[in-house]
Amino acid sequence: QSVLTQPPSVSGAPGQRVTISCTGSSSNIGAGYDVHWYQQLPGTAPKLLIYGNSNRPSGVPDRFSGSKSGTSASLAITGLQAEDEADYYCQSYDSSLSGYVFGTGTRVAVL
Amino acid sequence: EVRLVESGGGLVQSGGSLRLSCAASGFTFSSYAMSWVRQAPGKGLEWVSGISGSGGSTNYADSVRGRFTISRDNSRNTLYLQMNSLRAEDTAAYYCAKTQLIPVWGQGTLVTVSS
Repeated sequence: QSVLTQPPSVSGAPGQRVTISCTGSSSNIGAGYDVHWYQQLPGTAPKLLIYGNSNRPSGVPDRFSGSKSGTSASLAITGLQAEDEADYYCQSYDSSLSGYVFGTGTRVAVL
Repeated sequence: EVRLVESGGGLVQSGGSLRLSCAASGFTFSSYAMSWVRQAPGKGLEWVSGISGSGGSTNYADSVRGRFTISRDNSRNTLYLQMNSLRAEDTAAYYCAKTQLIPVWGQGTLVTVSS
């Protein structure tokens, strides 16, 4: 079961800014564990977008940014492009489960 | 370049077994914890199991505990997942992942359990 809650979908026009929230609890995000974000295109493996709450791997555009506060984290996409249409997942570690947990997933649509 | 390549997936009958492998390269394999993550068709991501760098500590999701066993051979830079008593609900793409510091995932291997 997913322990981290995300909105099922978000949408925006090209060029707009959208944000995706990831809400956890005191045993995962709130306990200080890192949050990572992934982008998944249909039929492909998840691709790392943000690691360690706010760091971008080499090759990821700076249109993507991450932040964390309390028991929640957020992914922001600025200058939305058609190629950003995908599913997005957050991930953290949960001390009560002694394992990694994922968000419920958010589908981004470009109008 | 850090690389993870999974193998061993396929079609198996309910109640059967499969062993997945993940070949790692480009980093000091024994220094990092590793995990298996799966994704059922049309569903979200689910962490399955994790193992410490030495192999001395393992953890499992409740959904697979007692049926799946994670292990590693640091001399071969290879991670394994032995899956027994497979069920239809285990049908999924299985991904190997380096989970410490900067995460890295493989491309996945598909497991289909027929009932």
